[in-house]
This record gives sequence, C-alpha cells and structure tokens, in this order.
Amino acid sequence: AQSVAQPEDQVNVAEGNPLTVKCTYSVSGNPYLFWYVQYPNRGLQFLLKYITGDNLVKGSYGFEAEFNKSQTSFHLKKPSALVSDSALYFCAVRVREGDNYGQNFVFGPGTRLSVLP
Amino acid sequence: DAEITQSPRHKITETGRQVTLACHQTWNHNNMFWYRQDLGHGLRLIHYSYGVQDTNKGEVSDGYSVSRSNTEDLPLTLESAASSQTSVYFCASRGQNTEAFFGQGTRLTVV
Repeated sequence: AQSVAQPEDQVNVAEGNPLTVKCTYSVSGNPYLFWYVQYPNRGLQFLLKYITGDNLVKGSYGFEAEFNKSQTSFHLKKPSALVSDSALYFCAVRVREGDNYGQNFVFGPGTRLSVLP
Repeated sequence: DAEITQSPRHKITETGRQVTLACHQTWNHNNMFWYRQDLGHGLRLIHYSYGVQDTNKGEVSDGYSVSRSNTEDLPLTLESAASSQTSVYFCASRGQNTEAFFGQGTRLTVV
C-alpha cells in the first residue's frame, strides 16, 4: 500500500534556529513528492515538489527538502525559522497506478510546527 | 487570476438532511478532488473526477456523492447528513502535471 508517514505530531523550534519536519514514504517505483503548508482557517498551499534530478529541492518562503531514496525520506528544512512559519505541514506523494502515476495524492497526517520567539 | 472557491465557508445542518457543498475552479483543470480533514487523520480522499462525466470513489466515500457536469464545478452532496460527517472539507484541482490547488475549506457541523 502507498503511504506517507510524518513521525512527529508537533515540532517546536526557536526563531532563528534551523528546522526540520520529517517525512517518510512507501510507494512502488520512483516517487513524486510534495510538501504543502496550511495556515489557520486556510486551504493547503504548495511549497515544493520532487520529481527527478537534484535531491535537494528549493521551494517557497526559503524552504527546501532533501530526497533520500535509500531512506525513503523527504524531510523539509529551513536554515533559519521565522515565527510566521508556524503552521501545519503536510507531506504528500502522488499515487502509482501500475507503471503510471495517478492524479491523486496520499497525504501524511500532518506536523504542527511552532516557532517560538 | 485563476482560483478555486468553496461555498459556503461554514454550514450547520441537522442529522438526516441533504447537504451540498460547492466547489468552483477557474484553472480549467480536468482533475478535481474532495477531501475531508479530521484531527489525527490528515486529509482523506472522498471522491475525485478526471473530467466531465467522470467520478470515482475515494478512501471514505460512503454517504457522499459527486457529479461533474462541466469542467469548473464538482459539488459534493451528503445524502443524509450524519454526526460522523462533521469535518472540514477541502476541494482541490490540478492539471496533468502540476501541483494541486486547494480551496479555503468548508467547515460543516452536523447536529
């Protein structure tokens, strides 16, 4: 079965410190991975994606993510956290339908990031 | 600018009533999705559509239906609302090789 895990419900980090939000996935073949962010009372907003190529992907608002095939991970990172980064973060993978990519996503349960001033 | 909008933003209804949540996108995307978001479960797929007249069941489709009569709209209907359907509902759309774009959500309370 295709799945996404985010092992931490909550991540707390001090402003100015680096942050990491973890994601591991289980999918056959090459994954097509995403990170989304959700601010209070808002829909999900796209941050970045990995399709192929460089394992380090850069996205919006200074975020980046590192794809590690051997560890089946796609951790989200930022060198210096801001209080405004406090939000709910979702990792997602595009589903596989046989040898093809489907149009659907499987989402992780989400990780709440709190950046403390 | 293209967008995806949901209405209403908030809805309170009684058990047993039929409820329809609207989703309208101006991206001209073929693919549209409905998710529900519940604490501890993240987002779960209810129904999806890959184009006009196409509808498919997702992970948690029982008690829900959708119809796709045009590209822009994918209304979600709760046939007979139940308290277990109290949730926040998100509509999304995506192109063939793009990320998904989400609406702002509808908070539904079934009393």
